[in-house]
Amino acid sequence: EVDLTQSPGTLSLSPGERATLSCRASQSVSSNYLAWYQQKPGQAPRLLIYGASSRATGIPDRFSGSGSGTDFTLTITRLEPEDFAVYYCQQYGNFWTFGQGTKVEIK
Amino acid sequence: QVQLQESGPGLVKPSETLSLTCSVSGGSISSFHWSWIRQPPGKGLEWIGNIYHNVNVNYSPSLKSRVTISIDRSMNQVSLKLSSVTTADTAVYYCARYRSDLYASLGNYYYYPLDVWGQGTTVTVSS
Repeated sequence: EVDLTQSPGTLSLSPGERATLSCRASQSVSSNYLAWYQQKPGQAPRLLIYGASSRATGIPDRFSGSGSGTDFTLTITRLEPEDFAVYYCQQYGNFWTFGQGTKVEIK
Repeated sequence: QVQLQESGPGLVKPSETLSLTCSVSGGSISSFHWSWIRQPPGKGLEWIGNIYHNVNVNYSPSLKSRVTISIDRSMNQVSLKLSSVTTADTAVYYCARYRSDLYASLGNYYYYPLDVWGQGTTVTVSS
């Protein structure tokens, strides 16, 4: 089983700032099957990034993903008010796993 | 567009079996793959298992002995059964869809992650 560790646990930023979220896997993620999701309170998660770096349909270009192997990053270039939420990474290779989440909160 | 709706009892007694249904509308259940995810109160997401290519299943190793996921094509529904529940199984349960592309020249599939989710249903395990 591939364990995913996200850091930091909480990111306190102001609107307009850049957010950089990390996801580290315990072993190489096959086929770069790494996704990022955004979840707001009381809502289901929303897919942002798949294949480590491809944006899902309708996702603004301020969201970008990068990385390969065991180290992955989600970057939000300029935080909008609606971006404050919890973000999860997920590997969807053989047995799926999620990271524990990073909360992006308003500073 | 595909929409998903989870349904089932909101309260289950310890040691009993949790049974949930995901009703799929706006698309054929056979055209996609299906997953169950859960989220305990105040905690993160936990993958439960998948059913893909209509018949293949893959379960979380930590839940494998208690989980069954199946498809009813006539009803366009995906079901989840989790046996011998305890209070640790209290969570919001989500069904979600994923898809794949066949690369015929390579003889394999490229998979995409969960792009359509239901709203989730809360299940409490309590006597």
